[in-house]
Amino acid sequence: SQQGEEDPQALSIQEGENATMNCSYKTSINNLQWYRQNSGRGLVHLILIRSNEREKHSGRLRVTLDTSKKSSSLLITASRAADTASYFCATPQEGTYKYIFGTGTRLKVLA
Amino acid sequence: DTGVSQDPRHKITKRGQNVTFRCDPISEHNRLYWYRQTLGQGPEFLTYFQNEAQLEKSRLLSDRFSAERPKGSFSTLEIQRTEQGDSAMYLCASSENEKLFFGSGTQLSVL
Repeated sequence: SQQGEEDPQALSIQEGENATMNCSYKTSINNLQWYRQNSGRGLVHLILIRSNEREKHSGRLRVTLDTSKKSSSLLITASRAADTASYFCATPQEGTYKYIFGTGTRLKVLA
Repeated sequence: DTGVSQDPRHKITKRGQNVTFRCDPISEHNRLYWYRQTLGQGPEFLTYFQNEAQLEKSRLLSDRFSAERPKGSFSTLEIQRTEQGDSAMYLCASSENEKLFFGSGTQLSVL
């Protein structure tokens, strides 16, 4: 079963706008990761946030983590058409290196 | 190219045939993962290895599926007596810490 659930399932925005997607998970974690997938390709790691961190930045990406609510959000600022992709959160099953992926948010950025 | 490579990229087979996929991980990575992904869904965990040891296998995998990682290097995933429901993208990933590096996947179509 999937550990994480992303929300929304699909998001369509104009170039230059910000995109926010959310991930909820079920068990205790020591880290949460976000990945991006272009159509028909493998996933690419974007950012990792540890359970003792609340916010992390990488370029135009900002990730937050609320362990009390078991949720995370990914913000992409000043979006570009090239950001069009599916975005997934992934969390390790407690005490293991088995990573479970969420259902994904399909982002479309219109030029 | 020193990334994760998967072969073949595409496989079309008839129902009932056996298929085998190969994954070559990044050379210094000790963990290797197999996931399955259908259209519009997130990657679904199948199995993972630490070196040559298979640490976990999803209950979703019937006994028609088997994976090996001899000598802790490349891995093979075999599906026996394929069914139409096996049609999916099969993704391999490798890791030495927490980040997963994915190959481009093998797209299987069972006719």
